[in-house]
Amino acid sequence: ELKVEQNPLFLSMQEGKNYTIYCNYSTTSDRLYWYRQDPGKSLESLFVLLSNGAVKQEGRLMASLDTKARLSTLHITAAVHDLSATYFCAVDLYGGSQGNLIFGKGTKLSVKP
Amino acid sequence: DAGVTQSPTHLIKTRGQQVTLRCSPKSGHDTVSWYQQALGQGPQFIFQYYEEEERQRGNFPDRFSGHQFPNYSSELNVNALLLGDSALYLCASSPRTVLAKNIQYFGAGTRLSVL
Repeated sequence: ELKVEQNPLFLSMQEGKNYTIYCNYSTTSDRLYWYRQDPGKSLESLFVLLSNGAVKQEGRLMASLDTKARLSTLHITAAVHDLSATYFCAVDLYGGSQGNLIFGKGTKLSVKP
Repeated sequence: DAGVTQSPTHLIKTRGQQVTLRCSPKSGHDTVSWYQQALGQGPQFIFQYYEEEERQRGNFPDRFSGHQFPNYSSELNVNALLLGDSALYLCASSPRTVLAKNIQYFGAGTRLSVL
């Protein structure tokens, strides 16, 4: 059974600090997705990582993928309050590109002044 | 471009009833996937429709069924509702031909409450 595990599940940060969210998965998928969800809202795509060693950055967020270790990280630099949300990683169900995503439980990030 | 639209936004049903949720994909998209998101959990894949057929299915009972219409819109039907079916139901769409490199776009969801 495919498992996607995120840690930590809850993260309380102070503004200006750095932190990393980890996503481990059990299949041999070569692509991984990161989404953001605000309370009561839908999912917003942040990054699509399509190959081993892929690194993408957008503002204060940077995501990387190590397919050999089956690990992706989402690094937060100099956190600000606007980054408070729940972050999900996901992989394809059959390890391919069919768009049938298996999500982790999410990391609820709270950035405090 | 209206993006992925879902209706209704909220729904309250009682146990044993049946419900139909609707989804219109983003313009140019022909593949629709449905997800169930329980409170405090990540979305769980229910099934995917392409060319009016169910192509992939997650670990959900037969009470969950769907349909895709020629205009690519889709419906999710749930029969014999259980309390545990209370969740946010998300629809996602993507163009099939470039699914490998494309992002699934999610709708705002339908919040279903079963009493």
